[in-house]
Amino acid sequence: KQEVTQIPAALSVPEGENLVLNCSFTDSAIYNLQWFRQDPGKGLTSLLLIQSSQREQTSGRLNASLDKSSGRSTLYIAASQPGDSATYLCAVRIGYSTLTFGKGTMLLVSP
Amino acid sequence: NAGVTQTPKFQVLKTGQSMTLQCAQDMNHNSMYWYRQDPGMGLRLIYYSASEGTTDKGEVPNGYNVSRLNKREFSLRLESAAPSQTSVYFCASSEGGGPDTQYFGPGTRLTVL
Repeated sequence: KQEVTQIPAALSVPEGENLVLNCSFTDSAIYNLQWFRQDPGKGLTSLLLIQSSQREQTSGRLNASLDKSSGRSTLYIAASQPGDSATYLCAVRIGYSTLTFGKGTMLLVSP
Repeated sequence: NAGVTQTPKFQVLKTGQSMTLQCAQDMNHNSMYWYRQDPGMGLRLIYYSASEGTTDKGEVPNGYNVSRLNKREFSLRLESAAPSQTSVYFCASSEGGGPDTQYFGPGTRLTVL
């Protein structure tokens, strides 16, 4: 059974810092990996999707990398802002459209 | 463009009562999903519908039924609610092919007393 682990569970940083969130998965036979953002009391918003054949994806200040052979992905956030405060979820697609989620990293960026 | 909408936003039930959670998407997506999110457990797939007319069980289907009413709508029914079904329920949809990014609704917070 695929398991997805996210480290750390919570992270608090001052504004302006660059930071890295980690995601690991046990079965490397994935179709793709997605990073989501969830604000308190809200649904999930897709940030980046990396296909299994890709190494990284970038969107603005966000960069996600994928090392399928080692079962790892990182989400890099440059120059963090208070508006980045949210829970970040990693999910891997292992079959037809089914996602397995990690439990998330709760990020707090203080002014 | 509303994306994925869910009703109701909040619901309180007594043990044994039934209810249906409604979900609709306006993106002409083929696939739709129901997840539940519990503290410390993450999101878990309950049921999904790969295309109109088909439904399949996910990781935690017991105690739930679903109906893919048409391409736009996918409902989740609790026939006899139990306190263990207290959770936040999310509906999602995707094109059903290619990269297949999933788009989520705002969620329904359900409490079963």
